[in-house]
Amino acid sequence: DTAVSQTPKYLVTQMGNDKSIKCEQNLGHDTMYWYKQDSKKFLKIMFSYNNKELIINETVPNRFSPKSPDKAHLNLHINSLELGDSAVYFCASSGGWDTYNEQFFGPGTRLTVL
Amino acid sequence: AQKVTQAQTEISVVEKEDVTLDCVYETRDTTYYLFWYKQPPSGELVFLIRRNSFDEQNEISGRYSWNFQKSTSSFNFTITASQVVDSAVYFCALSKQTSYDKVIFGPGTSLSVIP
Repeated sequence: DTAVSQTPKYLVTQMGNDKSIKCEQNLGHDTMYWYKQDSKKFLKIMFSYNNKELIINETVPNRFSPKSPDKAHLNLHINSLELGDSAVYFCASSGGWDTYNEQFFGPGTRLTVL
Repeated sequence: AQKVTQAQTEISVVEKEDVTLDCVYETRDTTYYLFWYKQPPSGELVFLIRRNSFDEQNEISGRYSWNFQKSTSSFNFTITASQVVDSAVYFCALSKQTSYDKVIFGPGTSLSVIP
């Protein structure tokens, strides 16, 4: 059983396009996150949602818009893609009473903007 | 503000050597969590350990051990008798103890174990 899943795994697109990445978790967690990992492997939080409510919104261009239709899903839509958006995007969830903020990560989506 | 520093960017060791990965953190909170994650070449992020700020006991899990020292704000990770499969990027991370606060990751240490 996959705990946190993301689609697609790879995404190659042209500059200026709009794309979405989907994330789903079946762990029953209340909180979900999006992280961006750049080419130097630096991992930085972008957003978090708790029970469909936006909790954390780091300094991210407003071309990035997260949407949480329910607490098991958190999608990331990116408008007008730029070269600098190329990165690996990780979805994560947390919230089990015994796992204390441990982030359960999805497999990542490698986005390449040409 | 919270911050995690991993001063070692890259480390290379020969198989069977012991290696310690350093992690120093900054926080004004009196209660917090510390974590280590492993990212092998395949790219996934694997949880290794969580430590509560109240618990300064060292932990050992097989060839892995962790040394938490609140006095020096350090949470170091040692791999004993390293193996090629230990080659990965290792991240130290810090979060507050609220249930949905963000986790701050260090820049990572890339470990290469040479056969």
